[in-house]
Amino acid sequence: AQKITQTQPGMFVQEKEAVTLDCTYDTSDQSYGLFWYKQPSSGEMIFLIYQGSYDEQNATEGRYSLNFQKARKSANLVISASQLGDSAMYFCAMREDPPNFGNEKLTFGTGTRLTIIP
Amino acid sequence: NAGVTQTPKFQVLKTGQSMTLQCAQDMNHEYMSWYRQDPGMGLRLIHYSVGAGITDQGEVPNGYNVSRSTTEDFPLRLLSAAPSQTSVYFCASSDQYNEQFFGPGTRLTVL
Repeated sequence: AQKITQTQPGMFVQEKEAVTLDCTYDTSDQSYGLFWYKQPSSGEMIFLIYQGSYDEQNATEGRYSLNFQKARKSANLVISASQLGDSAMYFCAMREDPPNFGNEKLTFGTGTRLTIIP
Repeated sequence: NAGVTQTPKFQVLKTGQSMTLQCAQDMNHEYMSWYRQDPGMGLRLIHYSVGAGITDQGEVPNGYNVSRSTTEDFPLRLLSAAPSQTSVYFCASSDQYNEQFFGPGTRLTVL
């Protein structure tokens, strides 16, 4: 079974500062993938970044990077130079990777609501 | 390329009514799934499908039925709506190797 824990229900960050959103996970899978999604107030789920458990380097996508510490079972999302448009809910999720047939399903954390203060 | 589409966007039901939430994707993805999102609980998997004719239960399947007759469509049926099914419902699809793409969601209220 897989479990994702996001311990920060809400965060307030000053505009232009960097922010780290925490995610810890638990799994018995040898190979797995970690995902971050953003959900703005409009409600849609937007994929941000992916990290494979065997990737040697931390994933980066523009202002987003993933601080992956396998031994600690953590996959924190780092947003550099935060912008007002970053205000949203952020969800960490995982799945077996590559998934065996029938194991494509994602397990989600409860999310962190990030508010950027001007 | 519309991605994942869901209809309706909003729906109000009375207890005991039935309805079908529609989901379609045009990316030829084999995997499709339905989640519900409740405050403080993240997204929880209701049912999923790994291809036409193949479905299975997720974490919270009670009160919901699914079928998958084509690769493109994956409708979710509420058999007899209950207030506990008030939620936001998301449909998602993916291939085996990439991220899941989500539809815009359906906000359902059961009175």
